[in-house]
Amino acid sequence: NAGVTQTPKFRVLKTGQSMTLLCAQDMNHEYMYWYRQDPGMGLRLIHYSVGEGTTAKGEVPDGYNVSRLKKQNFLLGLESAAPSQTSVYFCASSRRDGWLGNTEAFFGQGTRLTVV
Amino acid sequence: AQKVTQAQTEISVVEKEDVTLDCVYETRDTTYYLFWYKQPPSGELVFLIRRNSFDEQNEISGRYSWNFQKSTSSFNFTITASQVVDSAVYFCALSETYSGAGSYQLTFGKGTKLSVIP
Repeated sequence: NAGVTQTPKFRVLKTGQSMTLLCAQDMNHEYMYWYRQDPGMGLRLIHYSVGEGTTAKGEVPDGYNVSRLKKQNFLLGLESAAPSQTSVYFCASSRRDGWLGNTEAFFGQGTRLTVV
Repeated sequence: AQKVTQAQTEISVVEKEDVTLDCVYETRDTTYYLFWYKQPPSGELVFLIRRNSFDEQNEISGRYSWNFQKSTSSFNFTITASQVVDSAVYFCALSETYSGAGSYQLTFGKGTKLSVIP
């Protein structure tokens, strides 16, 4: 069982470069999330999606774009990378539990991104 | 306003001591979920427990126990007889069915780093 898979696991970018982080889940989950983790800041939500073709902004969306063209994939794009985007990025997915909302999120292994 | 507050940034205990990690949350929803996750030094995020807003029963799982009190908006986590393997960052999280700017966001606290000293 693959669960949630993130690619790549490590990346170094130069300021101004662009890149896309891919998240794939094989659990048929409705909800998907992108977080960034920085020391002392916990996990901060960048963007999320409640279903195929829908996305919404989280707490720190600036400088990022996302797309969810297929239910199993959630892409996070950096159009022009900045040093402030150096972070560990986590993707997660969760199942909708009827009217109660979503259940526990399953996380990928993380992507360590350094922007120099 | 911060929706999930983990006031303890770092805690150190000696092995076999009990330790409680605090979590206070804020929501206007009547239906929501609360979670605890563990992040060991290896970096992955491990789900520990889920509790919905209608279930205030405390839960025990081995050395772990959770105390959910809606009256104080708290969902505290206790480790009994701590072990070195418990050393990790622990996150509390809240999922609301409606959060104003968007539905079903999953919001994390800043985490508590627990160090268990042998």
